[in-house]
Amino acid sequence: DAGVIQSPRHEVTEMGQEVTLRCKPISGHDYLFWYRQTMMRGLELLIYFNNNVPIDDSGMPEDRFSAKMPNASFSTLKIQPSEPRDSAVYFCASSVTGNYGYTFGSGTRLTVV
Amino acid sequence: QKEVEQNSGPLSVPEGAIASLNCTYSDRGSQSFFWYRQYSGKSPELIMFIYSNGDKEDGRFTAQLNKASQYVSLLIRDSQPSDSATYLCAVGSSGSARQLTFGSGTQLTVLP
Repeated sequence: DAGVIQSPRHEVTEMGQEVTLRCKPISGHDYLFWYRQTMMRGLELLIYFNNNVPIDDSGMPEDRFSAKMPNASFSTLKIQPSEPRDSAVYFCASSVTGNYGYTFGSGTRLTVV
Repeated sequence: QKEVEQNSGPLSVPEGAIASLNCTYSDRGSQSFFWYRQYSGKSPELIMFIYSNGDKEDGRFTAQLNKASQYVSLLIRDSQPSDSATYLCAVGSSGSARQLTFGSGTQLTVLP
């Protein structure tokens, strides 16, 4: 099992640019989560999906953030336009019905300059 | 605002000692509790989960849950330098057990 796969591992972009983060969950997992981790705020849940449908996006900080899951094997988190305060590590995680524990991907370290 | 509180540490213990990590939570209806380990620069890794009051043992790790006190702990016996990491407590929401709220983590250092 390849685990949860995220890309890119690192992203450096200029303020105002669009950023797209990608995630492939573990095959067979029907839940997908996007988290953001910073020193100040720790791990924060942004949004999660069940069977490709967004269930709760109340953690999305503002309209600049959007997430999609067009199929069971792919999800994107987009920030447009990006701002320096968006700099963080963004994690994708997946889980399967009957098991509440998550498996995290390796994360994307985003730096907005 | 549902909160999960942990002592940020750092907590230092000598090799071979017992490390005790503590966590309190505010959501009285929570039913699922997790401990994750995160090495520096890496992603969180699930090491224990517990759903019922009492103790749950897995190798050198023991998770303890007291729902009346809203308290979860993790004991690491025979601590090894490789256990040095940040330990994150996570609590499932009473509204949706799928939604985990994470504490800020306790940094543990095991001294050789």
